[in-house]
Amino acid sequence: DTGVSQDPRHKITKRGQNVTFRCDPISEHNRLYWYRQTLGQGPEFLTYFQNEAQLEKSRLLSDRFSAERPKGSFSTLEIQRTEQGDSAMYLCASSLMRESTDTQYFGPGTRLTVL
Amino acid sequence: AQTVTQSQPEMSVQEAETVTLSCTYDTSENNYYLFWYKQPPSRQMILVIRQEAYKQQNATENRFSVNFQKAAKSFSLKISDSQLGDTAMYFCALNTNAGKSTFGDGTTLTVKP
Repeated sequence: DTGVSQDPRHKITKRGQNVTFRCDPISEHNRLYWYRQTLGQGPEFLTYFQNEAQLEKSRLLSDRFSAERPKGSFSTLEIQRTEQGDSAMYLCASSLMRESTDTQYFGPGTRLTVL
Repeated sequence: AQTVTQSQPEMSVQEAETVTLSCTYDTSENNYYLFWYKQPPSRQMILVIRQEAYKQQNATENRFSVNFQKAAKSFSLKISDSQLGDTAMYFCALNTNAGKSTFGDGTTLTVKP
């Protein structure tokens, strides 16, 4: 069990550019979550998948954001036409939803800076 | 809607002493889980302890224990014998198994030598 991994760890981009982040969950975890965390705040939920199905999207997730989990394993989060307000840490978490437990384990995050 | 409130933005404790971090929450669900996560400076978030709402017994993990008061919707974390490595931001989180977790804004804990 290698834990949740995210790539890249840091991304600096210019306003208006598109960026894509990748998350590899703990193997056999069926749920995968994306959160956004700004400095001094707790993580805010963006979206989550159960296997390959996207089950919920936050109102925070504007139409510039899209997430996929095509084969129920890794996931990508794309931000189109980035804005300075998108600068944040993007966290991925995974869990094995079993019985009634859903403990989420977090990756190291991708820190996005939009200039 | 679910809310989680951590009313202590910053706390400090002397090494080897005990400290308690507060958390209150609100949910209309009867079945849910509560978590404390630790996020050291520039490092990833680590699960510290978990409590099932249907269990009356408070969860304990080595030096970490919780005081879960379901009626009061309170979930505090006690750290005994504080160590320098406990310095981190601590987040309280609520999950109703509907998918997402709702987090508080965190408490920054500094352990002083």
